[in-house]
Amino acid sequence: AQSVTQPDIHITVSEGASLELRCNYSYGATPYLFWYVQSPGQGLQLLLKYFSGDTLVQGIKGFEAEFKRSQSSFNLRKPSVHWSDAAEYFCAVLFTGGGNKLTFGTGTQLKVEL
Amino acid sequence: EPEVTQTPSHQVTQMGQEVILRCVPISNHLYFYWYRQILGQKVEFLVSFYNNEISEKSEIFDDQFSVERPDGSNFTLKIRSTKLEDSAMYFCASSEQGATDGYTFGSGTRLTVV
Repeated sequence: AQSVTQPDIHITVSEGASLELRCNYSYGATPYLFWYVQSPGQGLQLLLKYFSGDTLVQGIKGFEAEFKRSQSSFNLRKPSVHWSDAAEYFCAVLFTGGGNKLTFGTGTQLKVEL
Repeated sequence: EPEVTQTPSHQVTQMGQEVILRCVPISNHLYFYWYRQILGQKVEFLVSFYNNEISEKSEIFDDQFSVERPDGSNFTLKIRSTKLEDSAMYFCASSEQGATDGYTFGSGTRLTVV
């Protein structure tokens, strides 16, 4: 079955520390992969996306993500977190052949301690 | 930067009443979507719309739901007879070339059914 999993519901990091948010998917091929961020009271903003090619993709706000086919993962990273990064982060997947819709993970709530 | 605009930001309605949630997608986008997020749960696909017709819908999108693009700029979601379980944040999204683009989301309408 096709699925996307974000194993961490909540993560707390100190400002200036590095961050890695996990995303795994279950699918027989390589899907299209996305990370979105949702700040309180806001809609979802696209951070970055991966379709093919270089497995390390750069996004906005200093975020990057690495696609690892062997692990069916697409983890989001940031070298140094800022307090303004506190938000909810969603991994989303477009399963090719699964229509024209994104399937979202359950989200990871990031808290940044000053 | 172009935005997807949703109105109202918050709507309270009585059970059994009809509601219409409004969205203005980005002007050159051709694909339109509605998603919802029940509090504490994942973002769920409701419906996609292209070329003036529904291209895909989920099991959630039953006969009580309908979408319309009445005038070439607005994109509306109607719930005919609201139920308590329809309480959620409803997000409109649009994309230029389909889900492979990633979407641009609006900031959402919080619907509370009492």
